[in-house]
Amino acid sequence: DAKTTQPPSMDCAEGRAANLPCNHSTISGNEYVYWYRQIHSQGPQYIIHGLKNNETNEMASLIITEDRKSSTLILPHATLRDTAVYYCIVRPLNAGNNRKLIWGLGTSLGVNP
Amino acid sequence: AAGVIQSPRHLIKEKRETATLKCYPIPRHDTVYWYQQGPGQDPQFLISFYEKMQSDKGSIPDRFSAQQFSDYHSELNMSSLELGDSALYFCASSSTRRSSSGANVLTFGAGSRLTVL
Repeated sequence: DAKTTQPPSMDCAEGRAANLPCNHSTISGNEYVYWYRQIHSQGPQYIIHGLKNNETNEMASLIITEDRKSSTLILPHATLRDTAVYYCIVRPLNAGNNRKLIWGLGTSLGVNP
Repeated sequence: AAGVIQSPRHLIKEKRETATLKCYPIPRHDTVYWYQQGPGQDPQFLISFYEKMQSDKGSIPDRFSAQQFSDYHSELNMSSLELGDSALYFCASSSTRRSSSGANVLTFGAGSRLTVL
């Protein structure tokens, strides 16, 4: 799986947009970008994924650059409950039997009141 | 909607004892994964099963074994427990039968916290 690079930590004011960047300069053409988050001591939670087009769901938006070498996860109105470690992962959609996720260091997002 | 169920949620064992963790995946999910997460660390992949057959192996110690049963639930067996085995153990499941855009999205359970004294 391609390597990703994320800032170790970020802070955001409650109610403001949180923009979490991820670099994946070695991403291959068949690899998707997935975002998960983990609230302290809870199971990781899927947020969103995409290939090359921007994506939006009820949780977040994903902006992928045209060259696909980086992406940004946007939480439009961060709340205190969004405080978590956010992981950016790239992997092929059709990974055969090798479907495991390889976790990087992630970004610890602190949402402040 | 049903989620991934793990049991027990908490487990305390002594060194050299054995422990068994159970995982019940989301119905109709065909792949199960086990992860170990030590204090302050990222989840480390242990092992996965696809349609009840081992599909991938990560940093799982030889003292650990796992299997997936005919009803798709999975068990992680840990023997000769060491202090360093104290961690959160997560099970996740996914389906390859979902639409192409949704395939390989993992749903995680709440985890089992193992404490070895």
